[in-house]
Amino acid sequence: LAKTTQPISMDSYEGQEVNITCSHNNIATNDYITWYQQFPSQGPRFIIQGYKTKVTNEVASLFIPADRKSSTLSLPRVSLSDTAVYYCLVGDRDSGAGSYQLTFGKGTKLSVIP
Amino acid sequence: GAGVSQSPSNKVTEKGKDVELRCDPISGHTALYWYRQRLGQGLEFLIYFQGNSAPDKSGLPSDRFSAERTGESVSTLTIQRTQQEDSAVYLCASSSTALGTAITEAFFGQGTRLTVV
Repeated sequence: LAKTTQPISMDSYEGQEVNITCSHNNIATNDYITWYQQFPSQGPRFIIQGYKTKVTNEVASLFIPADRKSSTLSLPRVSLSDTAVYYCLVGDRDSGAGSYQLTFGKGTKLSVIP
Repeated sequence: GAGVSQSPSNKVTEKGKDVELRCDPISGHTALYWYRQRLGQGLEFLIYFQGNSAPDKSGLPSDRFSAERTGESVSTLTIQRTQQEDSAVYLCASSSTALGTAITEAFFGQGTRLTVV
């Protein structure tokens, strides 16, 4: 299984850009990188997904270098409501059994400060 | 329904009793996942269904835990002889596909908060 490593926590002031980097040294050729956000007392929700280079949507941007061994989630001009845990996931498939699981690490707890 | 629905939202049970947790996935979603999240911790994978089959049961913590899915829809997670360490939020998620090489967006329910006293 491809493992991911993220910082345990980050603090940011309102209005700043926040970049959260995830390491996934063992990413496989066909794996995708996906980020989820989880607010307290809620289930995680999908933010963004990418394979290489840069992906942008209305919520965030995802930067993936050519070697794909890391990725960076960028949140522009964060607000207090962006305080949450952010999880980096790497798509993984057992080629033998064809099984698949969404493997969540410990995530990064982002605290936005007024 | 519009989203993944889990019931009950809260469950308090006595140690040693059995509990059943229910998950109604988004209609048409073939993949269904169960996770456990202890207070302040990350998500712990329990089991994954593709249709009604569970090719990956590796995350079930003990033989007290079991799950089934019927009609490629509703899933039930059963915990027998509950222990205090089973106290956690149990989250269910569904997605439109799981086989293949791309992670598909998974939709999570609000979870069932289980408290074993």
